[in-house]
Amino acid sequence: RKEVEQDPGPFNVPEGATVAFNCTYSNSASQSFFWYRQDCRKEPKLLMSVYSSGNEDGRFTAQLNRASQYISLLIRDSKLSDSATYLCVVNSDAGGTSYGKLTFGQGTILTVHP
Amino acid sequence: DAGVIQSPRHEVTEMGQEVTLRCKPISGHDYLFWYRQTMMRGLELLIYFNNNVPIDDSGMPEDRFSAKMPNASFSTLKIQPSEPRDSAVYFCASSLEPSGRFDEQYFGPGTRLTVT
Repeated sequence: RKEVEQDPGPFNVPEGATVAFNCTYSNSASQSFFWYRQDCRKEPKLLMSVYSSGNEDGRFTAQLNRASQYISLLIRDSKLSDSATYLCVVNSDAGGTSYGKLTFGQGTILTVHP
Repeated sequence: DAGVIQSPRHEVTEMGQEVTLRCKPISGHDYLFWYRQTMMRGLELLIYFNNNVPIDDSGMPEDRFSAKMPNASFSTLKIQPSEPRDSAVYFCASSLEPSGRFDEQYFGPGTRLTVT
């Protein structure tokens, strides 16, 4: 089983739609969770961290369910500029000397069309 | 700040040749990471450094790969000899010492390597 699993999509949605991505992780000791965004032929960039209580940044909402080892990202009122690959990312080490060992999911491709 | 700088941006080489990828992290960042991205395997961590010291190289595929960080502003990833299956995009990333749960990594633009 992969450490981080995502539905690869692609998701094709019209402008203004609401779309949700899901992700599961296998290491129950994981401490930090993130969503990164990667545009075509570009580097990944942090979109948002994911906190246990859930967090929102404008049109984006991230949720974490530790019991189910599940992370989600909701995008409301989709824009053309939201078209990208969304990477679910987990820090797979609980501390000690292995800080920063991020494990990336394969990514979910989103295309927003007019 | 210029961000993470990588060179070259594109490299095409023949099988058996030595390839050296270069990275300059963001000034003041304590951590440097090398990743490889392919369609089949996604983004994989190869090795990372803390204060120029290699901490975890368990992702380095085999002895043909080596990485060094001689100082805080420069790192290299070397492949010798290169093989067609090494074709991928290689990203370098850097970050600060983590504060709480926040440990954002800043990625460079990547080096697109093609081995023929």
